[in-house]
Amino acid sequence: NAGVTQTPKFQVLKTGQSMTLQCAQDMNHEYMSWYRQDPGMGLRLIHYSVGAGITDQGEVPNGYNVSRSTTEDFPLRLLSAAPSQTSVYFCASSRTSGGAYEQYFGPGTRLTVT
Amino acid sequence: QKEVEQDPGPLSVPEGAIVSLNCTYSNSAFQYFMWYRQYSRKGPELLMYTYSSGNKEDGRFTAQVDKSSKYISLFIRDSQPSDSATYLCAIVTGNQFYFGTGTSLTVIP
Repeated sequence: NAGVTQTPKFQVLKTGQSMTLQCAQDMNHEYMSWYRQDPGMGLRLIHYSVGAGITDQGEVPNGYNVSRSTTEDFPLRLLSAAPSQTSVYFCASSRTSGGAYEQYFGPGTRLTVT
Repeated sequence: QKEVEQDPGPLSVPEGAIVSLNCTYSNSAFQYFMWYRQYSRKGPELLMYTYSSGNKEDGRFTAQVDKSSKYISLFIRDSQPSDSATYLCAIVTGNQFYFGTGTSLTVIP
């Protein structure tokens, strides 16, 4: 199993550009989520999904869109990048029953918006 | 007020020391309490989780929850240089996870 994979590993965007961060898992997990990690702020939940076709907002959803058309994939879209979105982004997945809260994290995407 | 507060450290201890890491939380509805370890430039990995007050042991690690005080702790016995990492507490209610800011730990050989 590859676990949770994220692409790209690094990205530099200009203000106003859009892009999609990719996340995939091969563990057949129902629950998937996106976090951003900033110094002094910890990990903050952006959006999450409890299954294909179901998404919901987390703590800091503004400026980001998600969709979940398959169990495996959960892309995060930045609609119009802003310098405040410079961060490290982590995708995570877990089952939703029995050990439900053992989230597996991907390696992260380091995004810089200039 | 943040949902979870964690002392950011940094914390530096000699090898073999007992380490205590702590978090406080604000919402008594929180259900599950977890500790993650994150090495530099890596994603977090789950160390332990519990849903009740009291202690839970796993090898050199002990997680402690005091729901009456809204306080959770992680103790590391016989700390090793390989324990050098950032430790994050996390608390769950419903489908929402709230993480502390992390405590940076260095264990000096």
